[in-house]
Amino acid sequence: EAGVTQSPTHLIKTRGQQATLRCSPISGHTSVYWYQQALGLGLQFLLWYDEGEERNRGNFPPRFSGRQFPNYSSELNVNALELEDSALYLCASSLTPWSSYEQYFGPGTRLTVT
Amino acid sequence: ILNVEQSPQSLHVQEGDSTNFTCSFPSSNFYALHWYRWETAKSPEALFVMTLNGDEKKKGRISATLNTKEGYSYLYIKGSQPEDSATYLCAFWSQGAQKLVFGQGTRLTINP
Repeated sequence: EAGVTQSPTHLIKTRGQQATLRCSPISGHTSVYWYQQALGLGLQFLLWYDEGEERNRGNFPPRFSGRQFPNYSSELNVNALELEDSALYLCASSLTPWSSYEQYFGPGTRLTVT
Repeated sequence: ILNVEQSPQSLHVQEGDSTNFTCSFPSSNFYALHWYRWETAKSPEALFVMTLNGDEKKKGRISATLNTKEGYSYLYIKGSQPEDSATYLCAFWSQGAQKLVFGQGTRLTINP
């Protein structure tokens, strides 16, 4: 069974540009979560999608947005990039939206903003 | 603001020794406590999800306990091996918050 996949692995953008990160969950998983790990910080919750709907978002500005497609894959968009957006972005999926199910993480996208 | 604290931040242990570390979380509005292992250059991997006070889970040499009334969980590793070297993350899901709140992690290094 294929795990969670993310693309691209690395992304280099300049300040002010837009970045698009993609995530494919494990087959059959309906929930997709996005996390940010900036340098020196822990994993911070960004967004949660389930069955195509945004269920929750973390304390991030509206520049961070995303969507979930009918096949449950997801996209994270970051507009008007700022230097502090440089981070590892992890996507995770779970079988159900229930908190008692573990999340399966992808390998991440390393975003560098120059 | 939900706060999840892990201690210690880092730990060096001799191969073969046993070790444990702590995750503290708010004791109110508890839903679930997750433990993940994150090895360098890999993805975080789920170890345990615990939901009931007094839960004890075991996977091989690794076990975890949960006390929701006082807001802490312990992770134990028995007979540490080099492959146990990783960062161990705990994460708390509270009623109403609708998200996992992660601790900063405990970085474990096993010395051969």
